[in-house]
Amino acid sequence: ETGVTQSPTHLIKTRGQQVTLRCSSQSGHNTVSWYQQALGQGPQFIFQYYREEENGRGNFPPRFSGLQFPNYSSELNVNALELDDSALYLCASSRDRPGEQYFGPGTRLTVT
Amino acid sequence: RKEVEQDPGPFNVPEGATVAFNCTYSNSASQSFFWYRQDCRKEPKLLMSVYSSGNEDGRFTAQLNRASQYISLLIRDSKLSDSATYLCVVGNQFYFGTGTSLTVIP
Repeated sequence: ETGVTQSPTHLIKTRGQQVTLRCSSQSGHNTVSWYQQALGQGPQFIFQYYREEENGRGNFPPRFSGLQFPNYSSELNVNALELDDSALYLCASSRDRPGEQYFGPGTRLTVT
Repeated sequence: RKEVEQDPGPFNVPEGATVAFNCTYSNSASQSFFWYRQDCRKEPKLLMSVYSSGNEDGRFTAQLNRASQYISLLIRDSKLSDSATYLCVVGNQFYFGTGTSLTVIP
């Protein structure tokens, strides 16, 4: 096991709602990245946090936002959910940037 | 043009076979390269980093060709347990390929 944990495991929301996903990084890791993985696709980079600051963002709209806390855990918030937001959301932590990233088990979000 | 491109396969090979996957990338300034494996409905797991001089870990060999902008993964003596999707990853912001599906057949 990587030591990266995510909650919740599964989530069902309706269109227009808001959701918060959580991630605890591996001990000693100060960088957390979030990814969205649709069925049959590779993970798509959403954004990365390094020591509580956003350190890069992929091609996702502003309704995807995040936070990193002093203990390096992180949250991903998605507002105004759309059907296409249904996916597996993965977080990964690393000791530094750049670096080998270790993934949590993911949160499977279904938007109906 | 996509940042990272992989042949999606599927690759179906018999046990004991050697199989190779390639992955091309578009940003010549990329400095970080990795191979991950992902089992069905699970998270990606780091298989190996890819170094400029090439590197080997048991039955797995990774190569980087900067001139042609591709990385490769060679699996020798395939095992049933190697069946998975193999994802190449490029860059500090981790651009993933779509993955190559491998099934090792008894």
